[in-house]
Amino acid sequence: AQKITQTQPGMFVQEKEAVTLDCTYDTSDPSYGLFWYKQPSSGEMIFLIYQGSYDQQNATEGRYSLNFQKARKSANLVISASQLGDSAMYFCAMKGSGSRLTFGEGTQLTVNP
Amino acid sequence: EPEVTQTPSHQVTQMGQEVILRCVPISNHLYFYWYRQILGQKVEFLVSFYNNEISEKSEIFDDQFSVERPDGSNFTLKIRSTKLEDSAMYFCASSPGQGNYYGYTFGSGTRLTVV
Repeated sequence: AQKITQTQPGMFVQEKEAVTLDCTYDTSDPSYGLFWYKQPSSGEMIFLIYQGSYDQQNATEGRYSLNFQKARKSANLVISASQLGDSAMYFCAMKGSGSRLTFGEGTQLTVNP
Repeated sequence: EPEVTQTPSHQVTQMGQEVILRCVPISNHLYFYWYRQILGQKVEFLVSFYNNEISEKSEIFDDQFSVERPDGSNFTLKIRSTKLEDSAMYFCASSPGQGNYYGYTFGSGTRLTVV
């Protein structure tokens, strides 16, 4: 079984500052993928970034980077230079053997002007 | 940018009625999924579909749910006799493969309200 834990129900950040959203996971699968999705108030799920369990380098996509610490089973999302449009719910998810994505509870990020 | 299209965006139905939620996955994707998100809660897996059959389903996906790919483009989720607790956002997703490195593309969701 797979489990994703996001311990921060809500986070606040000032515009232009960086913020880290925490995610820890648990799985017995030797190979797995970790994903972050953004869900704005309109409801759609937007893919942000992916990290494979065997990837040597941390993933980056523009202002998003994933701080992957395999021994700690953590996959934190770092958003640099926050913008007002970054205010949304953020979900960490993982996929191991099988086809399902397992999601965490989410973190509501609010960017203050 | 290819996208997954879901219709309708909102649906209100009476308890006990059947509903069909429709999705058009990305054309060259082979794997299709339904997820649901009860208001304020996390996203939950319902079912995955490949090669015209269910490849995996969750404990939520009981006999009142069914999926179908009636033609080459549509992928549907049917709820036979809706209950109040079926009220949720339902997301369709598709992916080109099943490996861990294949992300999903999600549709914008159908918000189902059972009254």
